[in-house]
Amino acid sequence: GAVVSQHPSRVICKSGTSVKIECRSLDFQATTMFWYRQFPKKSLMLMATSNEGSKATYEQGVEKDKFLINHASLTLSTLTVTSAHPEDSSFYICSAMTPRPDRGHTDTQYFGPGTRLTVL
Amino acid sequence: SQQGEEDPQALSIQEGENATMNCSYKTSINNLQWYRQNSGRGLVHLILIRSNEREKHSGRLRVTLDTSKKSSSLLITASRAADTASYFCATDAGGTSYGKLTFGQGTILTVHP
Repeated sequence: GAVVSQHPSRVICKSGTSVKIECRSLDFQATTMFWYRQFPKKSLMLMATSNEGSKATYEQGVEKDKFLINHASLTLSTLTVTSAHPEDSSFYICSAMTPRPDRGHTDTQYFGPGTRLTVL
Repeated sequence: SQQGEEDPQALSIQEGENATMNCSYKTSINNLQWYRQNSGRGLVHLILIRSNEREKHSGRLRVTLDTSKKSSSLLITASRAADTASYFCATDAGGTSYGKLTFGQGTILTVHP
């Protein structure tokens, strides 16, 4: 099946610093990737949709200046948490849909392994 | 709005027993998907059922979808200790929201050997 990787898997940073998380589709090209956030023992919440070659679209309540998303290529999307604060500590997961020539996508999403961010 | 409520929130069974998890949602959907998550890990896609389908099987998994009741169920037959994980349903409304998944709260399944 399709593989999506994330880097780093775990990061600890000081309050006020910025952290970049990478999401890569390893064996397919993804024009669209999604970023989710998950609090401990909670469900996933969609933060934003990352579109290759265009600006990301953010869900209501998500600060676009706080969570910068760049989809520079068909296999890479990055999420930068700017001026991180302890309340940004969370598990961040990306996903990508595999393309299919006749329909654009297969409807199935493949998720990365997640990045655990801890802000001290 | 948050949708995709699941029950039970936690389920504890013995190996060999069947496990049934339910999911309800609030809006129209294009498809509904079930995922599994081991503690602290990413999500593994289990099965996708489209809005025009009523039942789907994959190995020991059986998923049903009732769009009139806006509900779905996931049945895991002959459970194994390795099935211990959190299970989430997620809906895709399609249209302009295509690909944007709304997740349920999840069911924590514990299978005792």
